[in-house]
Parts: sequence; structure tokens; C-alpha cells
Amino acid sequence: EAGVTQSPTHLIKTRGQQVTLRCSPISGHTSVYWYQQALGLGLQFLLWYDEGEERNRGNFPPRFSGRQFPNYSSELNVNALELEDSALYLCASSLGSSTYEQYFGPGTRLTVT
Amino acid sequence: KQEVTQIPAALSVPEGENLVLNCSFTDSAIYNLQWFRQDPGKGLTSLLLIQSSQREQTSGRLNASLDKSSGRSTLYIAASQPGDSATYLCAVQAWNNDMRFGAGTRLTVKP
Repeated sequence: EAGVTQSPTHLIKTRGQQVTLRCSPISGHTSVYWYQQALGLGLQFLLWYDEGEERNRGNFPPRFSGRQFPNYSSELNVNALELEDSALYLCASSLGSSTYEQYFGPGTRLTVT
Repeated sequence: KQEVTQIPAALSVPEGENLVLNCSFTDSAIYNLQWFRQDPGKGLTSLLLIQSSQREQTSGRLNASLDKSSGRSTLYIAASQPGDSATYLCAVQAWNNDMRFGAGTRLTVKP
């Protein structure tokens, strides 16, 4: 069974640009979670989507947004990139909106210059 | 608000030693607790998951315990090897799916 996949693996953007990160959950999983791991700040919860709807949001500004598609894959969009957005972005998936174990993808490393 | 603390922040041991990593959390109403390994610049590798109704889990040289009432978990690594060098993260998942991570313990095992 394929695990959670994320693309791209790495990318470099310039301050002020916009970026889109992608995540494909494990087959059969309907919930997708996004986390940010910035240097020195630890893993922080960003967003949770289930059945195409945003279920919860972490303490991040509105320029962080996302969506979930009918096939349960998800995108994370970050507008007006700032240097401090440089981080490893991790996606996780779980079976549904009830409480289930989360399975993590390999992450996307974003560098903002 | 759940807070997860890991002690120590860093640990360096000679190869072959047994070691214990500690994790504490402030809210005992948890769904599960999970230990992860993270190599530099990489994603998370799940090591052990303990459901709230369980007391411990074992996998190979790893053993994790959970004491919900005291808000503590320990990860025991037996006969450490240089390949065990990594950052170990403890994460607590609440019943509303909120998942909180500790800052991690950076382990170095010297040959």
C-alpha cells in the first residue's frame, strides 16, 4: 500500500512569490493535515481538511490556505512568501474525521530567499 | 491547551549504552501518544504508537511506556547504535484530532 506522497520534494522561491504544495493521502483516507516545521520552532499544526472541508486551522495568517479535492488529495497555498516561511512542510492523512492515527508523508522543503 | 515537553533536548552516548528519552504532557485526555524519528532534513518515521488504553509498546530494541495519570511517556532504546542517531519526537493526539509535538531530543550515538 502506497503511503502519503508529497510534491515537490524541494523548492526555492523568492520573497513575495506564491507557492503551492501538494499531498496525496493513503488510499481510503479522507482527512489530510498540514504541518510546518520551521527551524527552531518545532512542528506546528497548520490545517486539517476532511471530505473537502476545512475542519480546523492553526495559528497562521490567512495567506496560508489550502483545499481538498474530491479524490481527497490536497494543496497548501502560501501567498506573499516571507523569509520565515522557509520550513519543512509535512502532510499527514487519516481514515476520517473521527480520531484516527495520522500517517506522515516525507515532506516538502521550502526555501524562501 | 496541551503542551508537550521533551527532556533532554540533546543526548550523546557511546555505542552500546541503554538510554531513556522522556516526554511529558499537560492534558491527560489523550487519544494516543506516538514516538517518531526524524533524520536531518527528512520527514517523520513512526516508531511506536501507544493508544490511551495501553501502557506500553515494544518494537525490536525500542520500548515505549505511557502513564496517562502522570502525563508521562518514556522511550527506552536498548544497546544503542550509531545508526540510532537522529532527533526523536514525541507527539500527543487529542480526541478532536489535535496533534501536539514536543521539541524533540537530538540523540548522538558515538562509535
